[in-house]
Amino acid sequence: GAVVSQHPSWVICKSGTSVKIECRSLDFQATTMFWYRQFPKKSLMLMATSNEGSKATYEQGVEKDKFLINHASLTLSTLTVTSAHPEDSSFYICSASLGQGAGNSPLHFGNGTRLTVT
Amino acid sequence: RKEVEQDPGPFNVPEGATVAFNCTYSNSASQSFFWYRQDCRKEPKLLMSVYSSGNEDGRFTAQLNRASQYISLLIRDSKLSDSATYLCVVFSGGSNYKLTFGKGTLLTVNP
Repeated sequence: GAVVSQHPSWVICKSGTSVKIECRSLDFQATTMFWYRQFPKKSLMLMATSNEGSKATYEQGVEKDKFLINHASLTLSTLTVTSAHPEDSSFYICSASLGQGAGNSPLHFGNGTRLTVT
Repeated sequence: RKEVEQDPGPFNVPEGATVAFNCTYSNSASQSFFWYRQDCRKEPKLLMSVYSSGNEDGRFTAQLNRASQYISLLIRDSKLSDSATYLCVVFSGGSNYKLTFGKGTLLTVNP
């Protein structure tokens, strides 16, 4: 079945550094990718919707200059957490969709990236 | 009203019990509905879609009431392996294309 690969699975970085997370659709072309963040014991919160070849759409309260999203190809989207701070420590998950408008959910999730900023 | 609201839980049930999860959504234009399960520190995995006519998959039954904007998931004969967080997920298309997750309800099935 369709697989979404997310890398790295976990990362520890120092405050002020930037971290890039990759999300790849391995056997299908993902026109739309979603980036979620989940704090401990909290729900998944949508951060942004990324469409291949266009700018990402960010949810209210998510700083687009801090969380840079690039969806340059149909199989790869990246999320860069710039100048990370301890409060950015969270579980980041990507989800890839086969396409929009069909009423289908993006069923395919990456395995998540656990970011710890010290 | 929150976009997607679930029973806060947690639920603790013995093996073999029947447990029901409830979920309401605020956007009447929502198109598709799903139940996901998430194990601790793992990504969500699709459990089942929810169809208007209701659908069943083994011990799991999902129902949708569009008039009441209500979704449910019933687990019969619960197993230890059913212990997880169950997430109600609503898909909205059009210009507001996105998935919205409920906060999830933690289920612990005890021996």
